[in-house]
Amino acid sequence: GAGVSQSPSNKVTEKGKDVELRCDPISGHTALYWYRQRLGQGLEFLIYFQGNSAPDKSGLPSDRFSAERTGESVSTLTIQRTQQEDSAVYLCASSWSGTEAMEQFFGPGTRLTVL
Amino acid sequence: QKEVEQNSGPLSVPEGAIASLNCTYSDRVSQSFFWYRQYSGKSPELIMSIYSNGDKEDGRFTAQLNKASQYVSLLIRDSQPSDSATYLCAVKDSSYKLIFGSGTRLLVRP
Repeated sequence: GAGVSQSPSNKVTEKGKDVELRCDPISGHTALYWYRQRLGQGLEFLIYFQGNSAPDKSGLPSDRFSAERTGESVSTLTIQRTQQEDSAVYLCASSWSGTEAMEQFFGPGTRLTVL
Repeated sequence: QKEVEQNSGPLSVPEGAIASLNCTYSDRVSQSFFWYRQYSGKSPELIMSIYSNGDKEDGRFTAQLNKASQYVSLLIRDSQPSDSATYLCAVKDSSYKLIFGSGTRLLVRP
C-alpha cells in the first residue's frame, strides 16, 4: 500500500515568509507525528496528533510554528515569518495508534531552506 | 529527561563481517524498542522492532534487548557496502512518544 507522503519535497523561501508543509499519512493510521532534523543532527520531536487533536505540542520551537490535522488524515505544519534557523528537513510519521506498541513509518520529508 | 545514547561512530567493518550497534536508554519503564536505518539524504526506515527481552532475528539482522541493563543492540551479519548508513535507536515508553538516539554511522568497507 501507499506509504506516508509529504509535499513539497523541497522548499526554498526568503526570511520572513510563511511556509506550509503537508503530510498525508498511511490510510487508517490514527497517530501522526512531526519531527525536525537539522543537517547532521538527530530527530527533534515537534508535535503529535491522535485523530484530529494534538495532546502534545510541547516540541514546537516557538509560536511561529503551528500544525493542524483534519479528517483524521492530512496534516499541515505552518511556519510563519521563517528564520534561517528553521532550515532543516521536516519529517512526518504515522502509526496505527499513538499509545500501543506501534511502529512509526516516516515520509520522505520536506527539505526547507530559508535564505 | 529521558535519554537514548548511541556512539556516533563511524563504525567501520569489512564486507562480510558482523556489525554490532549498541544503544542504552535511561527510562526504566520503556516498553518498545526500534531500529531505523537512515541513508544520507533520506528519511528513516524501520528495520527492526523488539518488545521483550532476548533476541529477535529477521534475515541478516538480529535485535537484542536486555531491560535489566537498559541496553538494546543490533547485529548485522554478512555486512554489505549497501548497509552503510546511520542507524537510529528509538525507545517508546507507555505514552506515544519515541525518543531517538543521535545515531551511529556504519561504514562497510568493500
